[in-house]
Amino acid sequence: EAQVTQNPRYLITVTGKKLTVTCSQNMNHEYMSWYRQDPGLGLRQIYYSMNVEVTDKGDVPEGYKVSRKEKRNFPLILESPSPNQTSLYFCASSDRTGKNIQYFGAGTRLSVL
Amino acid sequence: SQKIEQNSEALNIQEGKTATLTCNYTNYSPAYLQWYRQDPGRGPVFLLLIRENEKEKRKERLKVTFDTTLKQSLFHITASQPADSATYLCALLYTGFQKLVFGTGTRLLVSP
Repeated sequence: EAQVTQNPRYLITVTGKKLTVTCSQNMNHEYMSWYRQDPGLGLRQIYYSMNVEVTDKGDVPEGYKVSRKEKRNFPLILESPSPNQTSLYFCASSDRTGKNIQYFGAGTRLSVL
Repeated sequence: SQKIEQNSEALNIQEGKTATLTCNYTNYSPAYLQWYRQDPGRGPVFLLLIRENEKEKRKERLKVTFDTTLKQSLFHITASQPADSATYLCALLYTGFQKLVFGTGTRLLVSP
C-alpha cells in the first residue's frame, strides 16, 4: 500500500530536549515536505526536499532542521524545542509530474511543555 | 504575498443537498488549484486538481470550478452524505515553484 509513515503520532516533551520525528514514503517520490498546522493559520511549509541531499527552507523554518540522506526518508529535527513549536506536524511526498499533488502522513501531534 | 481565503465558519447542510465551498485568492492566478479533504486527526487527502486554463472538473459527486477573473474556485459536493463531513482545503501551485500554498479550510457538516 502506498503510504507516508510518520512516527511518533503523539509526543509530549519539555523545552530544550532534542527530538526527531521520522518520515518515510514507499512511493519512490522525489519531493518531500514538512508542514505544521495551527488553528487559524492552516498548513505552513517548514522545509522541503527535491531530492537526496537537496533541501530548502519553506515558510517557517526557524527552530527546525531536516536531512535527506535517502530518497525514502526525511526526518524533522527539533534541536531545542520551545513551547511555540507545539503543533500538528505533517510529512508529505509528491512526484515530479509538476502538479505537486501531496500525499500526507497521518500527522504527529507535538506538545512542548 | 499571496493570500487565500476560505470561509472559516462551518457549513451546515442537510443530507442530499449540494454543498458549495469557496476558495478566493489575491494577486496572480496559480497554474494549478487543488482541493483536499481532511478528517479530524488525519492528514489531508487529495481530491481534485484543476488547471489555470480549465473552467470545470468533475469526479463522481465532486465538481470544481475555476474563475481566474473572479480569482475564485468553487467546490461542489452533490447529493451530500453525512460521510462527507470533513474539512476541505484548497491549495494553489504557481508555475516555477514547487510549493503549495494552502488555505485554512472550511468545515462541512452534513446532517441526516
